[in-house]
Amino acid sequence: SQKIEQNSEALNIQEGKTATLTCNYTNYSPAYLQWYRQDPGRGPVFLLLIRENEKEKRKERLKVTFDTTLKQSLFHITASQPADSATYLCALDDPYGGATNKLIFGTGTLLAVQP
Amino acid sequence: DAGVIQSPRHEVTEMGQEVTLRCKPISGHNSLFWYRQTMMRGLELLIYFNNNVPIDDSGMPEDRFSAKMPNASFSTLKIQPSEPRDSAVYFCASTPWGTGELFFGEGSRLTVL
Repeated sequence: SQKIEQNSEALNIQEGKTATLTCNYTNYSPAYLQWYRQDPGRGPVFLLLIRENEKEKRKERLKVTFDTTLKQSLFHITASQPADSATYLCALDDPYGGATNKLIFGTGTLLAVQP
Repeated sequence: DAGVIQSPRHEVTEMGQEVTLRCKPISGHNSLFWYRQTMMRGLELLIYFNNNVPIDDSGMPEDRFSAKMPNASFSTLKIQPSEPRDSAVYFCASTPWGTGELFFGEGSRLTVL
């Protein structure tokens, strides 16, 4: 079965620096990969989706890369701000889920941006 | 749009009691998902529905858990009888067909004593 690995240790960075979070998967390559943000006591919020035939996707200060050879996605936040502090979750579609949006989530990485 | 609405936000109950969690998906969304989140296991998919029909309930832990979707605007997740190990945050999410992204509710935090 698919395993998704995100760094369980918190990532601490200084405001203004670029934060880079890693998502590795172990088995099949998904048709698409998604990143979500989760604040304490709240539900996850969708950020970006990247498809298997896309190498990179950008949205404002966010950038996602997808390397199906390495079985890895990198999530970057440039010019980070304290407001970016949250847990970031990686999610992959399940190819055995049928024609639907069945997602498997990683356990997330906590990002703390220090002012 | 009000987003996905879940109730109750918090529930504290005693072992053996029945628990019912409720979800109202976003209007027009075809798929509905129930996830459970714990520190140890992260977000786990319990069950999902397409057009009100349960498609995959392989994530439901055991027979004590059941879920229904009687119509397009309402779903329930029931635990009977509840046990302390069921303590977690339960999320409902919905999505329109084919877009990929999930819209989550704010979750129901369940504590079973």
